[in-house]
Amino acid sequence: QVVESGGAVVQPEGSLRLSCTLSGITLDGSAMHWVRQAPGKGLEWVSLITSDGAATFYSGSVKGRFTISRDDSSNSLFLQMDHLITEDTAFYYCARDLGYPTEPKPDFWGQGTLVIVSS
Amino acid sequence: DIQMTQSPSSLSASIGDRVTITCRSSQTVYTYLNWYQQRPGKAPKLLIYAASSLQSGVPSRFSGSGSGTDFTLTISSLQREDFATYYCQQTSNTPLTFGGGTKVEIK
Repeated sequence: QVVESGGAVVQPEGSLRLSCTLSGITLDGSAMHWVRQAPGKGLEWVSLITSDGAATFYSGSVKGRFTISRDDSSNSLFLQMDHLITEDTAFYYCARDLGYPTEPKPDFWGQGTLVIVSS
Repeated sequence: DIQMTQSPSSLSASIGDRVTITCRSSQTVYTYLNWYQQRPGKAPKLLIYAASSLQSGVPSRFSGSGSGTDFTLTISSLQREDFATYYCQQTSNTPLTFGGGTKVEIK
């Protein structure tokens, strides 16, 4: 299973670090995504890290503020979020992708962790 | 960025109905197109990848078709557990963008 953690209430311009831990399935060899969903809204892709960690990609709305990273030894994925704004309020999901880039298919998703940015 | 447009944004259907949802991209995504189902309060679930490949464990009443800029998700005979919101996502170019979603409701 995939379990996200680290969600909290944080003030604007604050920072937060989300974690995603895989159990029973391996992070090794998998690309990983972060996807978010504001309450009552649609899905928004946030970030991707390749299976070897050599490349990272971001949506325009978070580029320069968020950093994705991974630690295969602990089967964990991270999202460092800095300079948070109210528009970052959302459930954050991580997803494993064994197929990226040739046949992307995020097949295992966590249940999400809620980030609320509010003063 | 590639824009993904789904239609309709919502629909009402009955058990047993055939349901079709369309997704259009602002430029070609070849067959780099995934479909997801999301039930209220739950994580998205991958249904179809590479435009037409059925994800393991997904019922065969779900099918996907299309290439280039126009894609379709079809549910051949709607079941109660299919009432949910469906999203397409292009995986051709980063940022990997989602469509706005189609909510399937009970008539």
